Amino acid sequence: QVQLQESGPGLVKPSQTLSLTCTVSGDSISSGSYYWTWIRQPAGKGLEWIGRIYTSGSPNYNPSLKSRVTMSVDTSKNQFSLKLSSVTAADTAVYYCAIVGGENSGYSFDHWGQGTLVTVSS
Amino acid sequence: DIQMTQSPSSLSASVGDRVTITCRASQSISNFLNWYQQKPGKAPKLLIYAASNLQGGVPSRFSGSGSGTDFTLTISSLQPEDFATYYCQQSYSTPFMYTFGQGTKLEIK
Repeated sequence: QVQLQESGPGLVKPSQTLSLTCTVSGDSISSGSYYWTWIRQPAGKGLEWIGRIYTSGSPNYNPSLKSRVTMSVDTSKNQFSLKLSSVTAADTAVYYCAIVGGENSGYSFDHWGQGTLVTVSS
Repeated sequence: DIQMTQSPSSLSASVGDRVTITCRASQSISNFLNWYQQKPGKAPKLLIYAASNLQGGVPSRFSGSGSGTDFTLTISSLQPEDFATYYCQQSYSTPFMYTFGQGTKLEIK
């Protein structure tokens, strides 16, 4: 059973870079079986997809965030990461990491981390 | 970008009721439509993938149908643990972009 756990600072200052890591357990991130993705949810609002990354190849980002987002994979640590630059209060949200299942699961998000709240405030 | 519109945005129902939530895509997405349940303070949970396939461990009172642009999630007999917010999500879009519906909050009447 694959499990995901987000980690990173819970408070980020405006204009700085938000950095989060998702640690994967129960499978090797380099197995090539999944895409790895980030999703966020402002308090009381809906879900917004941020981007996805494979262990090889180019990541895909939400066009509305593309200029500020960088995702990467660290196979040695079995982790993948999110960086979001030039943050504002509008980036305050719960951030989730998740697995994108393959074609057999309709490319759904079939495993999620518990989420981590990031607040942007001075 | 493909837009996903759910209806209703909120719904009040009673235990035992049959409930249907609708999701409409702004263009055809074949069957690349997934449904999630989210309870307060928790991560979303996958219920249905590829429009009509029940995720393992999900009760059979949940079902999904549809293809193209119109999809439904049906709960055949509401249980107390089903009161939550439900989201649809498309995984079809080219150039690549996942999008969610705005959510449907299911509340106890």
